[in-house]
Formats: sequence, structure tokens, C-alpha cells
Amino acid sequence: ELKVEQNPLFLSMQEGKNYTIYCNYSTTSDRLYWYRQDPGKSLESLFVLLSNGAVKQEGRLMASLDTKARLSTLHITAAVHDLSATYFCAVPYSGGGADGLTFGKGTHLIIQP
Amino acid sequence: DADVTQTPRNRITKTGKRIMLECSQTKGHDRMYWYRQDPGLGLQLIYYSFDVKDINKGEISDGYSVSRQAQAKFSLSLESAIPNQTALYFCATIEDKGGPGDEKLFFGSGTQLSVL
Repeated sequence: ELKVEQNPLFLSMQEGKNYTIYCNYSTTSDRLYWYRQDPGKSLESLFVLLSNGAVKQEGRLMASLDTKARLSTLHITAAVHDLSATYFCAVPYSGGGADGLTFGKGTHLIIQP
Repeated sequence: DADVTQTPRNRITKTGKRIMLECSQTKGHDRMYWYRQDPGLGLQLIYYSFDVKDINKGEISDGYSVSRQAQAKFSLSLESAIPNQTALYFCATIEDKGGPGDEKLFFGSGTQLSVL
């Protein structure tokens, strides 16, 4: 059974600080997805990581994937309030296409002035 | 207009009632999914469909059924609702161009269901 674990599940940080969210998964997968959810809203796709060593960056967010360690990280640089949200990582069931993604429980991020 | 539309946005119902949640998409995608989200538990897959004739159970399909009426429509039914089915339900679609990096889920706005 595929398990996806995120940590921390809750993070409160100050603006301007850096921090990393971790996503571990239990079975082999060659791809991983990161999503953002604002309160009361739907999920928005952030990153699709397709191979070992993949790194993607958008603004103050950078995601990376280490398939050998079964680990992905989402790094936040110089956090700003607008990045407050819940972040989910997700891994495909089969390791192939994205049918039936298994999601982590999410990291609830609060960025305070 | 939203690409993936869910109706209703909110619904309160009583134990034992039958309820249907509807999802329609304008993206022309073949693959559609129903997830439920519970606080602190992430999202869990209920059912998914690759096309009108191909419907598959997800990890938590008990107590639910689905209907793929057309490529654009995928409905989720609770035949006899129970309180622990109170959750936020999401419909999603996926584009399948067959190449890497195309497999992004596009989510609807969600339906908050409360079963009393």
C-alpha cells in the first residue's frame, strides 16, 4: 500500500524566513506532484516533478525530487503572507500515469508578519 | 467560466437519504475522478473513470456509486447517506496527452456535504 507522509503538518513562520516541507512516500514512483489549497478553495497545481533530481522553481517556491530516497521537498524562500495555504504532495498509485493519486495529509502553512 | 463545475456547492441532508453530486467539465478530458477530503486526512480517491465505459473503484468506494453519463459528466451518488460521509468532495479531470508532465489534475471547486 502506497503511503505518502508530509511533515510538518502545521507550520507557523514569520515573513522573510526560509523553510522546507518534506514529503516521503513508501513505494517506487518516478513522479510527484505538489498542490496548493487556500481555505475554502479547490486545489491548484504547483509543480509536476517527473524524474530523479528534478527541480522546479516558481517565485519563492522550489520543489525537488529524489526518487532513490523517495523524498520530495518544497522549499520556501523569504516567505510572504500570500504563501499562507495548505500544501499537498501526491504520488501516483502505480508509479506510471497520474491515475488515482495518493495525497499526503497536507501541510498547513501560516506566514505571519 | 470554470473548467470543472460541481453542483451543489453545499448540501445538508439527513441520514438514509439518497443524494447525488454532479460534475461537469468543459476541458474535453477523458479521465475524471471523485475525491473526498476530510480535515487532516488529505484527499482520498472514491472512484475514477477513463471514459464512459470504463469506471473503477478507488480506495474508499464503499457506500458510493458513480455514473459517467457522457465524456463531460461524472456523477457521484450516496445511496443511503450516513454521518461519516460528511466531507468536502472534489471532482477532478486529467488531460491525457500520453507524454510526461501532462498528468495534472484539474479540480472543481468542491461540494461540502453534511449528513445529519
